[in-house]
Formats: sequence, structure tokens, C-alpha cells
Amino acid sequence: GAVVSQHPSRVICKSGTSVKIECRSLDFQATTMFWYRQFPKQSLMLMATSNEGSKATYEQGVEKDKFLINHASLTLSTLTVTSAHPEDSSFYICSARDPSGRPDTQYFGPGTRLTVL
Amino acid sequence: GESVGLHLPTLSVQEGDNSIINCAYSNSASDYFIWYKQESGKGPQFIIDIRSNMDKRQGQRVTVLLNKTVKHLSLQIAATQPGDSAVYFCAENSGQAGTALIFGKGTTLSVSS
Repeated sequence: GAVVSQHPSRVICKSGTSVKIECRSLDFQATTMFWYRQFPKQSLMLMATSNEGSKATYEQGVEKDKFLINHASLTLSTLTVTSAHPEDSSFYICSARDPSGRPDTQYFGPGTRLTVL
Repeated sequence: GESVGLHLPTLSVQEGDNSIINCAYSNSASDYFIWYKQESGKGPQFIIDIRSNMDKRQGQRVTVLLNKTVKHLSLQIAATQPGDSAVYFCAENSGQAGTALIFGKGTTLSVSS
């Protein structure tokens, strides 16, 4: 199946710094990517939908100025957590839709563990 | 709120038993359902999917059943193995291209040998 990668897999940062997480579709062009966050022992919560070449659509309660999403190419979306605080510590997971495949098939990345000290 | 959920938070089975994990959804417009397996520290892994025009679909050792009347989805794992231990999530969307998946709360499956 299609492969989605994320980088970094783990990041530890100090409070107040910004962290960028990359999501790449390795063998297909993803017109749409999605960003989720997952707290321990909880489900995945959708943060935003990212369409290539346009602004991301954020879910209610997700601050767009806090979580900057850029989808500048068909294989790369980035999530930047700005001025990170300990409450932003979470597991961030992206997924990508392959437009050439089944319409609803989404492939998930391996996740990025963010720890803010 | 979440449109997909309801589950048993944990399920413990013996190796070789069959496992059944359940999920309920509330959105009648949901058209597409997927089961994912997530191991600790990893992203969700696709197991099997089903569209609303079907009520059963089988894969290798797994079967998904969909009951649209009561908005219920289940995942059956035959001859459960220790490697099946993970958290299992059901997810759904409306079937419109480009829409995100909405995840249920998950069930932790523990398989003892």
C-alpha cells in the first residue's frame, strides 16, 4: 500500500519554542492531507484538513495561529506548533488521501511524539 | 461531539479464541466505515473497510459486519494471536471525497498465550 512518512518521529522542546512536523506521501500525490492529535489512551481527534495550494480548514476549537499548516506541494504538508507549551505535548498523526485510489482511502503516517518541557 | 464511538474499552482473550470488537455510530449519512489497528507509539494501520451498501466483508482472519438498522459495526478476528494485541478503532465518514475520518474511542485488545 501507499506510504506516508512523518519527521521527526520524536521531538522534545522547551516551552515557548516552535516545532515543525513534516508529513510526506512517498509514492503518491496527496491533494488532501489531514492532521490529528492523540492524547494518551484516547482516540484520534481531527485538527485540520489540508488541501494542496489552499488554506487549511481547522476543526472547531483548534487555533489556526497556534497550529500552522502548510501544504505547498502534492507530497508534503507541514504542521508547525508555535510557542509550544506543555499542554501541547501529544502524539501528532497525519494522513493522506490518494486521489488515484479508492476515494475514501487514507494512509496514516507513523506519528510524531511531541514533548514540551 | 464524536459521531462514532461506543465500545468496550478493553477486551481480553486467550490465544486462538475469536475476538469481537463492537462500535456504534450515530450519523445515518455515514457511508464508509473502516477498522484500524494501532500499536503503541505507532500510527493507525488499516485492517478492513466496508461501504454502507454491504453488510459483511471478509478479509484474512477478519470480518467486518455492518448493521445499518441499529447503526452498529463490528470487527471479528478469528484465531486471535498475541500479535493482534493493540488498540482497535472504528472510523467513519460520509463517503464524500476529501472528507476526514472520524474516529471512535477505541478498544484495547489483549491476547494472552
